[in-house]
Amino acid sequence: DSGVTQTPKHLITATGQRVTLRCSPRSGDLSVYWYQQSLDQGLQFLIQYYNGEERAKGNILERFSAQQFPDLHSELNLSSLELGDSALYFCASSVGVTGGQETQYFGPGTRLLVL
Amino acid sequence: KNEVEQSPQNLTAQEGEFITINCSYSVGISALHWLQQHPGGGIVSLFMLSSGKKKHGRLIATINIQEKHSSLHITASHPRDSAVYICAVKGSGGSNYKLTFGKGTLLTVNP
Repeated sequence: DSGVTQTPKHLITATGQRVTLRCSPRSGDLSVYWYQQSLDQGLQFLIQYYNGEERAKGNILERFSAQQFPDLHSELNLSSLELGDSALYFCASSVGVTGGQETQYFGPGTRLLVL
Repeated sequence: KNEVEQSPQNLTAQEGEFITINCSYSVGISALHWLQQHPGGGIVSLFMLSSGKKKHGRLIATINIQEKHSSLHITASHPRDSAVYICAVKGSGGSNYKLTFGKGTLLTVNP
């Protein structure tokens, strides 16, 4: 158990809908990262937050947004969903801000299926 | 061409065999990660390294910065080592926080 929690585990929805994925980092970790894993693209970095502020952006679509709240949990909002958004969405956390230069602890993931 | 290439894509071994998985990258990096993803989907960070070699139990990771290459070795492999092993790199640019991932190597260890 990494100490990172994600809800829900599974989500089935329809095209055009909007969903919110939630992540709680390990106790003491200030950074939260969101990743998307699809069969054809593999793992891709979406966005990083550190202590409530956006620190780095990757291949995140404009239809997607995220935020980190004062209690450090984070939410990833996906809107106007398309079939191609079906994927595993992982959240990870780390202590500091340097991203790839620290060990990141991954949550169990949310499996999103868009029908 | 992907920035991070792994080989082989698939690997089948017998229990007890010595396993090597390779990762090559095309950009300057400041750190390289090896991750393990089990069939259920969960991801575990195995190693983070920027030079030399690290060892944890039966797992050994090495990196050659000049050759832009890293290897993950598993000694005395066991069926529970069956998983996807993913290499990820962090670029050396100061403002580049993100990780770039390889496509993964699917390892199956048969009893």
